[in-house]
Amino acid sequence: DIQMTQSPSSLSASVGDRVTITCRASQGISNYLAWYQQKPGKVPKLLIYAASTLQSGVPSRFSGSGSGTDFTLTISSLQPEDVATYYCQKYNSALTFGPGTKVDIK
Amino acid sequence: QVQLVQSGAEVKKPGASVKVSCKASGYTFTSYDINWVRQATGQGLEWMGWMNPNSGNTGYAQKFQGRVTMTRNTSISTAYMELSSLRSEDTAVYYCARETRRGYFDYWGQGTLVTVSS
Repeated sequence: DIQMTQSPSSLSASVGDRVTITCRASQGISNYLAWYQQKPGKVPKLLIYAASTLQSGVPSRFSGSGSGTDFTLTISSLQPEDVATYYCQKYNSALTFGPGTKVDIK
Repeated sequence: QVQLVQSGAEVKKPGASVKVSCKASGYTFTSYDINWVRQATGQGLEWMGWMNPNSGNTGYAQKFQGRVTMTRNTSISTAYMELSSLRSEDTAVYYCARETRRGYFDYWGQGTLVTVSS
């Protein structure tokens, strides 16, 4: 089975900072990678699919990149409402989520 | 608008079964697979399996094989997830999610808390 890892597991940054989260697959998954945001006590929300395509309605400060085994989610200017845990998910065969990255405001 | 509305919280004893429902509206129920994902308190998202509402075909994560059953009632646009032989480690919020034709999840239910306790 393909395993998904994320780094860091948590981070704390200031408002306005550029934040980058990495997701790595143990084998190549082309661009079958999605990112979800889960705010505390809320339902996960789709941010990005196909590694880099922004879901409709998602602020443009979010972006994704990568292909194969290495992927990144970038928040260009961190906002207070971005406090959440972010999960990557591969969906090319058996669905698997990464362990999550918790983002806080410093 | 697309909505997935799940049944309410459940409390079950170890060894029992639980059946969670997910009622879809705002789209053609049989056109999109429904997946189930669970999340224990303070933990990450764990995919459980999928069901095609049109055919009834299913696919389960290996961890849940033999213990989970996903079904549907197309007349009321509702998907069900039944988990048997419950143990305390099954205490979690269970989500249904609509799978797009490409494979990721664009809409989620509100979640159903299942508590397993003696």
